[in-house]
Amino acid sequence: GQQLNQSPQSMFIQEGEDVSMNCTSSSIFNTWLWYKQEPGEGPVLLIALYKAGELTSNGRLTAQFGITRKDSFLNISASIPSDVGIYFCAGLTTSGTYKYIFGTGTRLKVLA
Amino acid sequence: DAGVIQSPRHEVTEMGQEVTLRCKPISGHDYLFWYRQTMMRGLELLIYFNNNVPIDDSGMPEDRFSAKMPNASFSTLKIQPSEPRDSAVYFCASSARTSRGRDTQYFGPGTRLTVL
Repeated sequence: GQQLNQSPQSMFIQEGEDVSMNCTSSSIFNTWLWYKQEPGEGPVLLIALYKAGELTSNGRLTAQFGITRKDSFLNISASIPSDVGIYFCAGLTTSGTYKYIFGTGTRLKVLA
Repeated sequence: DAGVIQSPRHEVTEMGQEVTLRCKPISGHDYLFWYRQTMMRGLELLIYFNNNVPIDDSGMPEDRFSAKMPNASFSTLKIQPSEPRDSAVYFCASSARTSRGRDTQYFGPGTRLTVL
């Protein structure tokens, strides 16, 4: 199935560092969602973005809807050990269908 | 709200057996999605429903897979007969389409299926 390009694939960082990840697509999306998945659990919604250029924060997390509507970014500031997990982006396409297209995921490991 | 509910959380079965996975979406949500997640292929959309009607089943692997949504609060994904390559985590998700375009999608905890 179709997937978004998400990078980096994995990150090993020190506690306290900032983290950046992004998703890019060849298609335009109306909505971008960012999820976090921990082992044995389902993806949990972190942030939802609905307008090009929109910048939204959720605690230490900040996400942006790219101006071109083909990309999105997630930043985590001052990482802590519980930030460990896999982060997924998802774009909603409503042209001709109603589907969420998912990124391949960024696996984050935080070293204390 | 309790969120999306899935059962069972874990299922171990033998090749050839029938498997039925269950999902209760969030009340008021008019879209329901079934996904499969594996290390190799990531999250794959299998099928989705709108107002209990299947809209797109192009992701269903083959005829061994079938999904139903008899009412707004219940859906099943059935595999018959099951094969070892069906081993994966199956997620159900639901969303509500809003007139303001502020759609979101919420996932259940998943069913980890192992076919021996």
